[in-house]
Amino acid sequence: DSGVTQTPKHLITATGQRVTLRCSPRSGDLSVYWYQQSLDQGLQFLIQYYNGEERAKGNILERFSAQQFPDLHSELNLSSLELGDSALYFCASSPSSGRGTGELFFGEGSRLTVL
Amino acid sequence: GDSVTQMEGPVTLSEEAFLTINCTYTATGYPSLFWYVQYPGEGLQLLLKATKADDKGSNKGFEATYRKETTSFHLEKGSVQVSDSAVYFCALNEDNDMRFGAGTRLTVKP
Repeated sequence: DSGVTQTPKHLITATGQRVTLRCSPRSGDLSVYWYQQSLDQGLQFLIQYYNGEERAKGNILERFSAQQFPDLHSELNLSSLELGDSALYFCASSPSSGRGTGELFFGEGSRLTVL
Repeated sequence: GDSVTQMEGPVTLSEEAFLTINCTYTATGYPSLFWYVQYPGEGLQLLLKATKADDKGSNKGFEATYRKETTSFHLEKGSVQVSDSAVYFCALNEDNDMRFGAGTRLTVKP
């Protein structure tokens, strides 16, 4: 158990809909990362937050947005869903407070299926 | 920018065979290097890491050595088991910027 909690574990929805994925980082971790893993297994970095502030942005679509709340949990909002958005979405956290080089701790992921 | 390149899979081996998964990186400074493993239906978990040149990370019979001169961090195991079947990701972290390779799927057959 990594200590990172993601909900829901599975989600099935229709095209055009909007969903929210939730992540609770490990206790004390200030950084939260979101990744998308497609069927071909590659991990695509979406966005990183540190202590409530956006720190880095990857190839995140404009239809997607995220935020980190004062209690450090994070939400990833996916809107106007398309079939191609079906994927595993991972959250990871890290204790890094700045120029860190440490490991990330991953949740078990939220599997989104868009029909 | 920093990047990680790892050998493409899938890799299929028989039980007790020797495993090597190649990983090379490009970085502007001195990153930490990692191997993560993803078992079926699970999230990624850290397998081993090395934080400076010539460090050797090891865990569960797997090992990898941080080679600055060849910018490599190849994963090895002397005798794989069926339970090692998973996807393996090489990664680097420099200044809190984590980069992953594309992943290599390993299947071990009895």
